[in-house]
Amino acid sequence: DIQMTQSPSTLSASVGDRVTITCRASQSISSWLAWYQQKPGKAPKLLIYKASTLESGVPSRFSGSGSGTEFTLTISSLQPDDFATYYCQQYINYVAFGQGTKVEIK
Amino acid sequence: QVQLQESGPGLVKPSETLSLTCTVSGSSISSGYYWVWIRQTPGKGLEWIGTVHHSGRTNFSPSLKSRVTVAADTAKNHFSLHLTSVTDADTAVYYCARCPGQLVFDFWGQGTLVTVSP
Repeated sequence: DIQMTQSPSTLSASVGDRVTITCRASQSISSWLAWYQQKPGKAPKLLIYKASTLESGVPSRFSGSGSGTEFTLTISSLQPDDFATYYCQQYINYVAFGQGTKVEIK
Repeated sequence: QVQLQESGPGLVKPSETLSLTCTVSGSSISSGYYWVWIRQTPGKGLEWIGTVHHSGRTNFSPSLKSRVTVAADTAKNHFSLHLTSVTDADTAVYYCARCPGQLVFDFWGQGTLVTVSP
C-alpha cells in the first residue's frame, strides 16, 4: 500500500499569509496526486489534480507542485474562506488520502 | 448543476448489511463517468471504498473488497453500496461522489452518518 503523509498536521496563519502544505508518498506516484479542501460538516472539495492542474472554478491563489514522492500545496495569500482542512490523495495505485492539515486562524 | 444525495439507514446492527443509495441529478449515470463511495472516520480519515461504471465495471479497495458490492441503476439514475458483516469499525460518514476518469472526485454528496450499534 502507498502511504501518504502530510505536514504539518496543524498550521496557524493569518489572512494574507503565504501558506505551504507538504505531502509525501511512501513510493513514487509520478504526478498522480490531488488536493482537496474540507470545511466542518461538509464534503471535501477538489482543488487540484495531476499535482498541479487547478480544478475549474478554484481561485488562482491555490497552486500545486511536485512529482515522485514530494508535493506541495501553496496558498499565495490566505483568505478568510481558506481556513479549512486540506487533504492530499494519490491515485496511481488505488486511492489513499493523507491524514489532513488543518489551517487555523493565528 | 451536478448534485448527489446519499440516503439509507443511519443505524445498522453489528453483523448486518449496510445499504446506501446515491441519487444523482444534473449528470447521467450512463455518461462516461465513474461513481464512487468514500467514507470518513475521525480515526482513519478518508477511505475510498469502491467505484462503479454504468457498464458494470467495478473496482474496490483491497481491504474492503470481500464485503462490498456497488451497483449502478441507469433507469433510476442512482447507484448503491452494500457492505456486509459490519462492525463498529464501519461507523463513518459515507459519501458518494463522481469520478471523471482518473480516480479523482469532482462532485460529492453531503455525506450521511451511519452508526453500527446493537
